[in-house]
Amino acid sequence: EAGVTQSPTHLIKTRGQQATLRCSPISGHTSVYWYQQALGLGLQFLLWYDEGEERNRGNFPPRFSGRQFPNYSSELNVNALELEDSALYLCASSLGLSFSYTFGSGTRLTVV
Amino acid sequence: KQEVTQIPAALSVPEGENLVLNCSFTDSAIYNLQWFRQDPGKGLTSLLLIQSSQREQTSGRLNASLDKSSGRSTLYIAASQPGDSATYLCAVISGNTPLVFGKGTRLSVIA
Repeated sequence: EAGVTQSPTHLIKTRGQQATLRCSPISGHTSVYWYQQALGLGLQFLLWYDEGEERNRGNFPPRFSGRQFPNYSSELNVNALELEDSALYLCASSLGLSFSYTFGSGTRLTVV
Repeated sequence: KQEVTQIPAALSVPEGENLVLNCSFTDSAIYNLQWFRQDPGKGLTSLLLIQSSQREQTSGRLNASLDKSSGRSTLYIAASQPGDSATYLCAVISGNTPLVFGKGTRLSVIA
């Protein structure tokens, strides 16, 4: 069974540009979660999608947005990139909120 | 707002020792608690999931316990090996909020 896949593995962007990160969940999982892990900080919850709807979002500005497609894959968009957006972005999927989460290997975003 | 604390922040032990990692959370109304392992620059690997109605879970050399009423969990690692070196993360789900993580315990097992 394929795990959670994220692309790209690495992404380098210039300040002010937009970044798009993609995530494919485990087959059968309808919930997708996005987390940010900045250097020296813990994992911070960004967004939760389930059945195509945004269910909850963390304490991040509106320039962090995303969507979930009919096949349950998801993308995270970060507009007007700032240097402090440089981080490892992790995607996870599960059967629902209270089930076990499986994480992908992450996308390393570097803003220069 | 749920907050998760992990103690110690870092731990260095000789190979073969048994060790305990601690996790505490402020809101005891959790659905479940999950322990993960993270290698440097990598994603998270799930180790154990404890439902709120359970007291403990075991997998190989790992045993996790949960005391929901006191807001505590421990991860016990038996006969530690150098390959166990990693950051161990504790996370809980409560209310309508996905996993809330502690900052982790960085473990080094010295051969």
